[in-house]
Amino acid sequence: DQQVKQNSPSLSVQEGRISILNCDYTNSMFDYFLWYKKYPAEGPTFLISISSIKDKNEDGRFTVFLNKSAKHLSLHIVPSQPGDSAVYFCAASDGSNYQLIWGAGTKLIIKP
Amino acid sequence: DVKVTQSSRYLVKRTGEKVFLECVQDMDHENMFWYRQDPGLGLRLIYFSYDVKMKEKGDIPEGYSVSREKKERFSLILESASTNQTSMYLCASSQSTGATYGYTFGSGTRLTVV
Repeated sequence: DQQVKQNSPSLSVQEGRISILNCDYTNSMFDYFLWYKKYPAEGPTFLISISSIKDKNEDGRFTVFLNKSAKHLSLHIVPSQPGDSAVYFCAASDGSNYQLIWGAGTKLIIKP
Repeated sequence: DVKVTQSSRYLVKRTGEKVFLECVQDMDHENMFWYRQDPGLGLRLIYFSYDVKMKEKGDIPEGYSVSREKKERFSLILESASTNQTSMYLCASSQSTGATYGYTFGSGTRLTVV
């Protein structure tokens, strides 16, 4: 049973527009969420995170929104740039152990 | 610059071979992880270790074993490589409080079993 779901395997966005990547979770005990970005032939790198006590966290062009009642989070990238083309993974933790629970990833393609 | 280093970027091995994938971190992290990444399946946890000589099975441990003799080194062993183990293998490490500090990943090893 997937506890973290990224239902869009891929997303194509025009350069300069907003990219919105979505993530849903089922475990109400999750209290910390992270987004990672992965280029081909490289390991994932940390992008941005949010604690469950917040509903928004912003870092430059990247903003993560958390809707706890809907068990949904989203990553907004504004404006989208060609270098943002990558696979984005959503991950969650309930703080009880060492593990992150990962979504399957969304491949973002930024069109020039 | 802190790092997780995986010994090989690309490997080609024959079916039935014993394969060793090495991972070294220089951050004095307690926790280390081995994942494999396959298209459409995301990151699947094979094994993890939260201390020297300690290991725990992840979601897909079958066909794999691990070794952690030193804090900085975590090795993944494919006892008898099979074609369905062709994949991207990713090593990661994290601090003892783990998840809230996130993971640091290596660059990955692309393993092809022929």
